[in-house]
This record gives sequence, structure tokens and C-alpha cells, in this order.
Amino acid sequence: AQSVTQPDIHITVSEGASLELRCNYSYGATPYLFWYVQSPGQGLQLLLKYFSGDTLVQGIKGFEAEFKRSQSSFNLRKPSVHWSDAAEYFCAVGYNKLIFGAGTRLAVHP
Amino acid sequence: SQTIHQWPATLVQPVGSPLSLECTVEGTSNPNLYWYRQAAGRGLQLLFYSVGIGQISSEVPQNLSASRPQDRQFILSSKKLLLSDSGFYLCAWRNRDRVRRSNTEAFFGQGTRLTVV
Repeated sequence: AQSVTQPDIHITVSEGASLELRCNYSYGATPYLFWYVQSPGQGLQLLLKYFSGDTLVQGIKGFEAEFKRSQSSFNLRKPSVHWSDAAEYFCAVGYNKLIFGAGTRLAVHP
Repeated sequence: SQTIHQWPATLVQPVGSPLSLECTVEGTSNPNLYWYRQAAGRGLQLLFYSVGIGQISSEVPQNLSASRPQDRQFILSSKKLLLSDSGFYLCAWRNRDRVRRSNTEAFFGQGTRLTVV
């Protein structure tokens, strides 16, 4: 069955620290891969996406993600977190059927 | 440009009453359409998706149904609401996966907060 796993429900980092949010999927062949962010009271905003080609993808707000086929992973990274990055982050995978992980809530300490 | 409209924004309904949530998309043709429910700790749960008029795929057996009477209209319904149907419902659209290099991220509506009392 197709699935998306975000193992970390909550993550807390200090402002300026690096960040990595994990995402693993099960989908048969390599699907399209996405990361979305949802700030409190806001809608879902696309951070980045991967379809094919270079496995390191650059997104908005200084985020990047690396696709690793052998690990069925698509982890999201940021070298230096800002307080405004506090939000919930969702990994999503799929072709016509698009499924989301349970999300990782990021808190940022000053 | 493309826009998605979802209404109502909030809804309070008694148990056992019917439900109809509507979603329409403008500025695109033949989109894939989706209904999700968002609950704390469970992310976005895919309820239904559609790749064309009258084509509905149901992902979760439940008290809800979906219909796509027109190309850019997607309706979520229930004949009798349960307390467990309370939640935040999101509609989304994507361009169809015709060519593997096309722009296929999902765009979401503002959501409907449904409270069943």
C-alpha cells in the first residue's frame, strides 16, 4: 500500500541551527515528491518539488530537499532556521493519487 | 490565472443532517480534484480524488461520498452526518499528469471547518 511516513511529530530547534525533517515513502515506482508548509491559521504553501533529474532540489525560503531512491526518502533541510520557520511541514507523494504524511510541527527557540 | 473556491468556510450541523460542500476551480481544464480532511496529528487524510467527470476514487470507507458533475466542480456529501465527521476539509486541484515534466503540485482551497453537534 502507498504510504508516507514523517517519523518526527514535533521538532524543536534553536534559531540559527540547522534543520532536517525526515520523509520516507512507499509508492512502487518513484512518484512525484513535494514538501508543503502550513503556518498557523494559513493555507498550505509549496516549498519544493521533485519530479526527476538532479536529486538535490532547491525551494523557497532557503529550503532544500534530497531524494534518495535507495532509501525511499525525501528529507527537507535548511542550514540556518529563522523564527518565522515555525510551522507544520508536510511531505507528499503521488501521481494522480496524492497522499500526505502526518506532518512535523517545528518550534524555533530564540 | 487559476483559482479555487471552496465554501462555506465554516459550518455547524446537527448529527443526522445532510452535508454538501462545494469546490470549484477556474482557469484550468481537466484538473485532478481532491478532497482531504485535516486533523491534528494525522496530517491530510485523502478522502476522494477524481481524474475526470464522474470518475471518483474513494480512499477511506466512511460516511461521506463525492461527486464531480462538471469538469471543474467537486462536491463532498453525506446523507447523515456523524459526530466523527467533524473536521477541517480541504479541496485541492492539480494539472493532470499527461507529461512527466509538467507542473503538478497541488493547489488548495481555504478549507471548510465542519462541526457536527
